[in-house]
Amino acid sequence: EAGVVQSPRYKIIEKKQPVAFWCNPISGHNTLYWYLQNLGQGPELLIRYENEEAVDDSQLPKDRFSAERLKGVDSTLKIQPAELGDSAVYLCASSPGSRGGELFFGEGSRLTVL
Amino acid sequence: QQQVKQSPQSLIVQKGGISIINCAYENTAFDYFPWYQQFPGKGPALLIAIRPDVSEKKEGRFTISFNKSAKQFSLHIMDSQPGDSATYFCAASRDPGANNLFFGTGTRLTVIP
Repeated sequence: EAGVVQSPRYKIIEKKQPVAFWCNPISGHNTLYWYLQNLGQGPELLIRYENEEAVDDSQLPKDRFSAERLKGVDSTLKIQPAELGDSAVYLCASSPGSRGGELFFGEGSRLTVL
Repeated sequence: QQQVKQSPQSLIVQKGGISIINCAYENTAFDYFPWYQQFPGKGPALLIAIRPDVSEKKEGRFTISFNKSAKQFSLHIMDSQPGDSATYFCAASRDPGANNLFFGTGTRLTVIP
């Protein structure tokens, strides 16, 4: 069974440019998460989807970040415009939605903003 | 504010030794405490998890010890192997029906052959 797939794996852009990350969760997983992982730190939740509904986006910087999960499957996370401090790894995870269940993470998209 | 505090930041252990990583939390509403393992260039993967109704859980060489009154939990890796060299994150969650995990800052474990 395929795991969580993310693309691109690496992205280098100049500040003020837009960038988008794509995530395909494990088939059948209703819950999808975007996490931010700064170097040497643990992941921090940006947004959580239950099917196509964003049920927790309280940590998403809405002035420059946006996300969507059309049809409750794939998801896209966008940053526009990117700032130097956005350089980090953006992790996507999915879970079946059961309480306390395992999160399955993708390999992440590493963003470098110059 | 860091919801889950983890120590040490890094740990070097000889092959065959015991690796111990500690975490502490403040929010008594937390009721699920997993440990995730992350290798370089990979996403975190669930290693072992515990709920507060038990004080210890063991899976192979990995054991979680949980002290509810002290609001602390720890990961013990017995007979540590070079292949265990990775970054370990403790985490906690509180929302019924959800999986909003609060992660610690991570411990980079190096097991020397």
